[in-house]
Amino acid sequence: AQKITQTQPGMFVQEKEAVTLDCTYDTSDPSYGLFWYKQPSSGEMIFLIYQGSYDQQNATEGRYSLNFQKARKSANLVISASQLGDSAMYFCAMRGVSSGSARQLTFGSGTQLTVLP
Amino acid sequence: GAVVSQHPSRVICKSGTSVKIECRSLDFQATTMFWYRQFPKKSLMLMATSNEGSKATYEQGVEKDKFLINHASLTLSTLTVTSAHPEDSSFYICSAGAVGRPDTQYFGPGTRLTVL
Repeated sequence: AQKITQTQPGMFVQEKEAVTLDCTYDTSDPSYGLFWYKQPSSGEMIFLIYQGSYDQQNATEGRYSLNFQKARKSANLVISASQLGDSAMYFCAMRGVSSGSARQLTFGSGTQLTVLP
Repeated sequence: GAVVSQHPSRVICKSGTSVKIECRSLDFQATTMFWYRQFPKKSLMLMATSNEGSKATYEQGVEKDKFLINHASLTLSTLTVTSAHPEDSSFYICSAGAVGRPDTQYFGPGTRLTVL
């Protein structure tokens, strides 16, 4: 079974500052993928970044970077230079290989990020 | 980029009626689509996996006779909430995996269902 844990229900950050959203995971799958999604109040799920378990380097996408520490089973999202538009709910998710469907995602409970002006 | 649409975006119905929600991949083919349910301020819970041309696979605790899923083509999956009750009120989101791209899921904008 897979499990994603996000221990921060809410986070505040000052505009233009960097913020780290925590995510830890548990899986017995030898190969897996980790995702971060942003969900604004409109409800749509916006894909931010992906990290494969065998990727040698940490993933980066613009202002988003994923601090992947495999031994600690953590995949924290770092947002640099926060903007007011970054205020949203952020979900960490995992895709396993050995689940019924290779593309099934397991989601964490989410972190509500508020960027302060 | 790949676009997934959902229709309707918002629906209000009376208790006891059935509601159909459509999920379409607009510019790519999706052999697999997923249906999620999300309560306010909560995470997404996978309801079922929909595979084109075959029966859907439901997660434990999800009533397949209540939540009917049909995936008749590579671009369309439908979720029908039968005999809806107020406790079925929720935000329903679909996602689609593109053929040949297992590491990416594209999400629809969601459908907010309110059962009176």
